[in-house]
Amino acid sequence: SQTIHQWPATLVQPVGSPLSLECTVEGTSNPNLYWYRQAAGRGLQLLFYSVGIGQISSEVPQNLSASRPQDRQFILSSKKLLLSDSGFYLCAWDGIYPNTEAFFGQGTRLTVV
Amino acid sequence: GQQVMQIPQYQHVQEGEDFTTYCNSSTTLSNIQWYKQRPGGHPVFLIQLVKSGEVKKQKRLTFQFGEAKKNSSLHITATQTTDVGTYFCAKAAGNKLTFGGGTRVLVKP
Repeated sequence: SQTIHQWPATLVQPVGSPLSLECTVEGTSNPNLYWYRQAAGRGLQLLFYSVGIGQISSEVPQNLSASRPQDRQFILSSKKLLLSDSGFYLCAWDGIYPNTEAFFGQGTRLTVV
Repeated sequence: GQQVMQIPQYQHVQEGEDFTTYCNSSTTLSNIQWYKQRPGGHPVFLIQLVKSGEVKKQKRLTFQFGEAKKNSSLHITATQTTDVGTYFCAKAAGNKLTFGGGTRVLVKP
């Protein structure tokens, strides 16, 4: 069966520090991978999505970047965090249409202080 | 910005009552998905609708896709405290999955 791992679960980082969040998927190959951010009590903002190794599409200009060094690994990074980067970050994967049910990781709650 | 709009943003429901949340798009959708996110949790897939006018039921939840495939609704009957959470609709276009803003449901016992 397919599983998705995302870590860490919580993170407190000072302003100006770097960030690296990692997400890995098991049990499937060539998934579409996504990073979403959710502000408290708000909706899911799509940040990046990837259809394959090294292929990254950015949805929102921002302080963050994403990379996909391996088929089932998706990394969210920042060189210098801002206060506004605080939020709940969710990694997700889905397959090829029409089987596009998305599976989410447990999420990382990031607080920038 | 979001390409699917959800209303209402918040829904306070008395336990036992029914309610409906709506998802609207300005463009024709090839499909619509619904997810539920419990407080503090991650979104979990509920259902996908593909056909015009399609209606699907899951126990007390009824999902409908509009005839023009530009809107969808989720109706919950006899609301229970376990229905608390945020319900999202999402559209899958190509290789991109985009979510609506969600309807946050609070249940009053």
